[in-house]
Amino acid sequence: AQSVAQPEDQVNVAEGNPLTVKCTYSVSGNPYLFWYVQYPNRGLQFLLKYITGDNLVKGSYGFEAEFNKSQTSFHLKKPSALVSDSALYFCAVDHNNDMRFGAGTRLTVKP
Amino acid sequence: KAGVTQTPRYLIKTRGQQVTLSCSPISGHRSVSWYQQTPGQGLQFLFEYFSETQRNKGNFPGRFSGRQFSNSRSEMNVSTLELGDSALYLCASSLNVYNEQFFGPGTRLTVL
Repeated sequence: AQSVAQPEDQVNVAEGNPLTVKCTYSVSGNPYLFWYVQYPNRGLQFLLKYITGDNLVKGSYGFEAEFNKSQTSFHLKKPSALVSDSALYFCAVDHNNDMRFGAGTRLTVKP
Repeated sequence: KAGVTQTPRYLIKTRGQQVTLSCSPISGHRSVSWYQQTPGQGLQFLFEYFSETQRNKGNFPGRFSGRQFSNSRSEMNVSTLELGDSALYLCASSLNVYNEQFFGPGTRLTVL
């Protein structure tokens, strides 16, 4: 069975510093990978996805993610964090129409 | 283009009752998925519908059911409510399979 893990419940960074939110997955075959963000009292918003092609995927709000097949990882990154990036981030894997979400990582960016 | 809408936004029910939640996808989207979000279990997949057919179902008891209409609108029903069913129920739509999903604001269900 496929699964996705976000090893960090919480990530704290200072504004202007680079940020990384980690995600690893376990699936047989080729996964479709997604990142979503959830702001307080709002639904999830799509950030980016990896289906095939370049391992570095660029998404909304300056975020990017790198697909690493050997490490089965799909870490979310941003070169310079903003206070407004503070939110709950979810990694998801879709394989054979079965979408699984990670537990979420709460990102806090301090001024 | 209007986003995904869910009604009602908030709902309070008592144990043993049943509830129906509604989701209207973005115009042109044919796939609708439902998720349950709780602090303890996180986001859990309930089911997905595409062109009125249930294509996939998560690991939930038979009390949870859904359907999709010809206009792609979807409903989910929970019968014999339990306290543990209290959660935020999210609906998401996408153009097709493996496309990014657009989420609605959710329906917050409280079971007393």
